[in-house]
Parts: sequence; structure tokens; C-alpha cells
Amino acid sequence: QKEVEQNSGPLSVPEGAIASLNCTYSDRGSQSFFWYRQYSGKSPELIMSIYSNGDKEDGRFTAQLNKASQYVSLLIRDSQPSDSATYLCAGGTNAGKSTFGDGTTLTVKP
Amino acid sequence: DTGVSQDPRHKITKRGQNVTFRCDPISEHNRLYWYRQTLGQGPEFLTYFQNEAQLEKSRLLSDRFSAERPKGSFSTLEIQRTEQGDSAMYLCASSDSPGRGPDGYTFGSGTRLTVV
Repeated sequence: QKEVEQNSGPLSVPEGAIASLNCTYSDRGSQSFFWYRQYSGKSPELIMSIYSNGDKEDGRFTAQLNKASQYVSLLIRDSQPSDSATYLCAGGTNAGKSTFGDGTTLTVKP
Repeated sequence: DTGVSQDPRHKITKRGQNVTFRCDPISEHNRLYWYRQTLGQGPEFLTYFQNEAQLEKSRLLSDRFSAERPKGSFSTLEIQRTEQGDSAMYLCASSDSPGRGPDGYTFGSGTRLTVV
């Protein structure tokens, strides 16, 4: 079992819809969680960080963390075709190292 | 400072040759990480440095792999006697020291290695 698990997808949503991406983790030593967006052929780009239980909103993105359930999610509201990418979930320890899932590929159809 | 720089962007090498990659992190970041990514997989941790100290090295990393960060600035990753299984994207990332907790990374553009 991988330390960070994501649905591989692909996930397809129509433009303007809400995209919901999910992630579970097994290492209770993980203190912080991150969502990265990776376009095909490019390197990952950090889009959200979350450190405490609950929700964190940034523009069209909302990250949710539930440490008791070891569950992290990312909601993308008003999805745009430019949001089509692979989304990587990562858990970080206080030592600084992050462990990544294999990503969920999102396609937003015009 | 425009971000994390990696050089070269692409490298094609013959099996058995040695290769070296360079990473220049964001100047105020004291943590530097190396990851490897293959198609369809997430980045896989290789090693990381705080300043010039190498704090952790993945047990997946054979002794053909070595990394250095002299003077706590740029870093190099060397692969000796390359094998076809080493073909991957090698990603460098940097971050600030964690205060309240680990910070997210800023990744470089990566070095794509092809071993033929």
C-alpha cells in the first residue's frame, strides 16, 4: 500500500462544474498536506497547502483536511479547461520531506 | 531570483556512462530536494539537504547515485554506470525551513534523462 493514495481517474467534468479530488494517507507523522498541479510535460506547481483540520479556501480552490480520517480533498469550483491537468496530493513531515501520490488526471470539457 | 533552475533540461546517454545534473535553488531556501518521476507516477523521493548537510537518502537509491550540495548553495546529482531503468525525469525542489510545519516545494523544470 502506498503512503499516499489517490484515485487515478481520469476524472472528467464539464466546464463550470465542481471537480472533487480525493486523497488518503497512512503516515500519521504527516503534519502538512499539499496539492500540486502538473501539466503534461511540466513540473509540479504548488497550488494549495493545508496544515489544520477543516477547510482552506483560495479563490476557486478549497482544500479540506480530516486528520482523524487521514483524508485530504481538493475542490475546484467553476472548473475551466485550463484546469485540465494531473493533481498530485502530498503529505509532509516536520523533517521537511514530502511523499506524493500518483496523481489524479482531471479533464474539463468545454 | 527567478526560481529553481535545473541543467540540463534533457540528457540522452548510453548505458554505462556517468551523468551529472545541477540544481540551483531559490537563494533564500535552505532546503533542497531531489525526486525522480516516471510516466504515470508521482515524484519519488531520492534525497534532501538542509544547507550543505545531506539529511536523508532514500534506501531505493543505489550506491550508483550520489548527491552533493557544497557550501549549501547549488546541488549536483550524479548517476554512475547508468542503466535503462534510470530513465526518468529528475526533479529538484527547494523550500524554506519549516517553522510551523513543512512548507510546500518550488520545483525546477526538471532534467529528463534517457538511457539508450
